[in-house]
Amino acid sequence: SQQGEEDPQALSIQEGENATMNCSYKTSINNLQWYRQNSGRGLVHLILIRSNEREKHSGRLRVTLDTSKKSSSLLITASRAADTASYFCATAVIQGAQKLVFGQGTRLTINP
Amino acid sequence: DAGVIQSPRHEVTEMGQEVTLRCKPISGHNSLFWYRQTMMRGLELLIYFNNNVPIDDSGMPEDRFSAKMPNASFSTLKIQPSEPRDSAVYFCASSKLVAGGQETQYFGPGTRLLVL
Repeated sequence: SQQGEEDPQALSIQEGENATMNCSYKTSINNLQWYRQNSGRGLVHLILIRSNEREKHSGRLRVTLDTSKKSSSLLITASRAADTASYFCATAVIQGAQKLVFGQGTRLTINP
Repeated sequence: DAGVIQSPRHEVTEMGQEVTLRCKPISGHNSLFWYRQTMMRGLELLIYFNNNVPIDDSGMPEDRFSAKMPNASFSTLKIQPSEPRDSAVYFCASSKLVAGGQETQYFGPGTRLLVL
């Protein structure tokens, strides 16, 4: 099964609302990363949080990491139509830490 | 920097034909990754290289797929012969591998392959 699994698979909210996506993983990690993919495009890195960090902010993004529960969340505040995209979490596992393992993604739709 | 460059952006071919996808990583990056993305299977890692050496090709679906990295600025993914089930978007990504693990990966725009 997937190392990283996002929840929910799809999320639809109104512009201006906050969007929260969750990611769970199975094995110990070195870091966890979130990426965004607009339709028809490649993935774009959003934020990286290391295993010894609990929370990180970047603009309207807030990421939390709970290594005891092996889970992470991505919060997008004050959502905009341009935030419509798929969001993926990716884990850099400690064993074989030379690659990232991506989840299946959350499809976020922001309705104007 | 121009970012990761992939060519072609779109490829339509007939079953049985050879397909070659190309990638130019970001200058200075020492890791290169090939991914395949489909609706059914999501994003799959096919193979990755460190310092031009293939490290893990366990994701390569079968012998019809091969990848090379003859130098630090160029890689190819070849499918021979191609089959309809190979239809997907193929992404190349590059990064700097540092001590302690994998850092940010930078993705190219992808090659959309359709095998008829």
